[in-house]
Amino acid sequence: SQQGEEDPQALSIQEGENATMNCSYKTSINNLQWYRQNSGRGLVHLILIRSNEREKHSGRLRVTLDTSKKSSSLLITASRAADTASYFCARNDYKLSFGAGTTVTVRA
Amino acid sequence: EAQVTQNPRYLITVTGKKLTVTCSQNMNHEYMSWYRQDPGLGLRQIYYSMNVEVTDKGDVPEGYKVSRKEKRNFPLILESPSPNQTSLYFCASRPWTSGARSTDTQYFGPGTRLTVL
Repeated sequence: SQQGEEDPQALSIQEGENATMNCSYKTSINNLQWYRQNSGRGLVHLILIRSNEREKHSGRLRVTLDTSKKSSSLLITASRAADTASYFCARNDYKLSFGAGTTVTVRA
Repeated sequence: EAQVTQNPRYLITVTGKKLTVTCSQNMNHEYMSWYRQDPGLGLRQIYYSMNVEVTDKGDVPEGYKVSRKEKRNFPLILESPSPNQTSLYFCASRPWTSGARSTDTQYFGPGTRLTVL
């Protein structure tokens, strides 16, 4: 089952713009993680936010978590061509449950 | 270098011919799992293992088997592959020291692209 649902499914932006994608989930979480996947490659961990945290930053990444709405967002600021990838959120329980992802294309 | 390795990376086979995809990690992680990735469906967990000789079904276990005889290895076995098992497969591992509340991130292998004709 997909416990993390990303929105939008696809996003195309100009280099330098910000990219925002959202994730909704259905059950309580201990933490939520965001991963990036370059085309056909393995997933790479980006950032983890615990259920008692509301916002977290890592470089150009900003993640928010609203447990009352069961949603999270990932913001990539000042996007670069190298940010072109698919982004997945995953609810962390005894296993990681992924959604279908958001495909981000950054145009030069 | 800490890593998860999978072999083969690419495989084309025919229906019914048994195959094994190997997975190995060098990080002494307790927890290992297999996922398949299909367009529009994201990653779905096939099987997972919390330690040696401890395995359990994930969300889509039908048609697959696993074993965990050693901590570092977690092979995925398709006894009689069918075309609907054509997919991109990922092995992953992480520590299990703190159980369900773990904040440990998962490390993924590079993927195995399987085509069953």
